[in-house]
Amino acid sequence: GAVVSQHPSWVICKSGTSVKIECRSLDFQATTMFWYRQFPKQSLMLMATSNEGSKATYEQGVEKDKFLINHASLTLSTLTVTSAHPEDSSFYICSAADGETQYFGPGTRLLVL
Amino acid sequence: AQTVTQSQPEMSVQEAETVTLSCTYDTSESNYYLFWYKQPPSRQMILVIRQEAYKQQNATENRFSVNFQKAAKSFSLKISDSQLGDTAMYFCAFATPNFGNEKLTFGTGTRLTIIP
Repeated sequence: GAVVSQHPSWVICKSGTSVKIECRSLDFQATTMFWYRQFPKQSLMLMATSNEGSKATYEQGVEKDKFLINHASLTLSTLTVTSAHPEDSSFYICSAADGETQYFGPGTRLLVL
Repeated sequence: AQTVTQSQPEMSVQEAETVTLSCTYDTSESNYYLFWYKQPPSRQMILVIRQEAYKQQNATENRFSVNFQKAAKSFSLKISDSQLGDTAMYFCAFATPNFGNEKLTFGTGTRLTIIP
């Protein structure tokens, strides 16, 4: 149980385009999902907390208009990187909360050229 | 603010041996949750074990067990009979109760290599 999927697993895009990443809880409902960013050889950095049916809560320093989060159902949250630039290239990971425990998706590697 | 410290950036151990990864944390809360996650080369974060602070009994999951010392704010992970598949980055994490909105505070990780 507690499986979280993420799609796509990797994406390459041109600078200036937008990219959407989906996070789905497959076998449980998640009122809360989280989005992280991970730089090479570093720990996870929380970007935002996504609650179903309400606006996401962003961590300090994360641009709301840059990273759009939508949590329209209890099993799906999306992260859209708008007008992507090379500095947005990173590994993005989502998690879904089942009670106090977070279960993570496999991550999305984004490369912006 | 809570902090989580993993003082061992890298460790290596022979296959079948036992290894202990250390983790300390700082908090003024009395109730909280502690986790160990592993991140193998695939980069998928996998929950290894969790501990609730109000439970005195140490959590165990097959070959994985913890030594939870609440007064010392220590939460070490012991891996018994280590296997090649245990090679991964291990992150200790902390969360305070927040009605399903528990944010995780991660340590910097310990890179564990199991040597055949």
